[in-house]
Amino acid sequence: KAGVTQTPRYLIKTRGQQVTLSCSPISGHRSVSWYQQTPGQGLQFLFEYFSETQRNKGNFPGRFSGRQFSNSRSEMNVSTLELGDSALYLCASSPGTSFNEQFFGPGTRLTVL
Amino acid sequence: QKEVEQNSGPLSVPEGAIASLNCTYSDRGSQSFFWYRQYSGKSPELIMSIYSNGDKEDGRFTAQLNKASQYVSLLIRDSQPSDSATYLCAVDVKAGGTSYGKLTFGQGTILTVHP
Repeated sequence: KAGVTQTPRYLIKTRGQQVTLSCSPISGHRSVSWYQQTPGQGLQFLFEYFSETQRNKGNFPGRFSGRQFSNSRSEMNVSTLELGDSALYLCASSPGTSFNEQFFGPGTRLTVL
Repeated sequence: QKEVEQNSGPLSVPEGAIASLNCTYSDRGSQSFFWYRQYSGKSPELIMSIYSNGDKEDGRFTAQLNKASQYVSLLIRDSQPSDSATYLCAVDVKAGGTSYGKLTFGQGTILTVHP
């Protein structure tokens, strides 16, 4: 079974730009969660999508948004980039059951200059 | 109080020893507990899941859960240099809301296994 894939793997942007990251979950998994990882804050939850619906959202500003398509692939978008948005963005795939077992993709390393 | 706390590291053990990693959580309603391993520059890899009180063993790894004490631990037996990584404890903290798709992570414990 193929694992979670994320594209692109690396991105360099400048302040004020916007960026879109993509995630394809494990085949058969309907839940995709997004996390931001930084050295100072660790892993922080952004939001989760299940069957094209956002079920949960973390404490991030509205500049961070996402969506999920009918094939369970998900995208997240960050608008008006700030220097502090530089981070590793991880998506996690899950069957979507109450056990909440999640499998991470390789991540997208975003650098904002 | 942080929702998920791990014992501060780094932790250094000799090859062949038992490494013990600890984690406490604040939400008594939590039901799912996980340990992830993250090598430098890589993404977290799920190594253990535990949902009920007691021990769960998988190879050299044993996860222990005590819901009354709000405590979960990971033991690595016969530690190898390849076990050197950051270990992350993750919990489905509900905190009065929903935990759909959300895991709350500890800050991680850096483990070094020296030959």
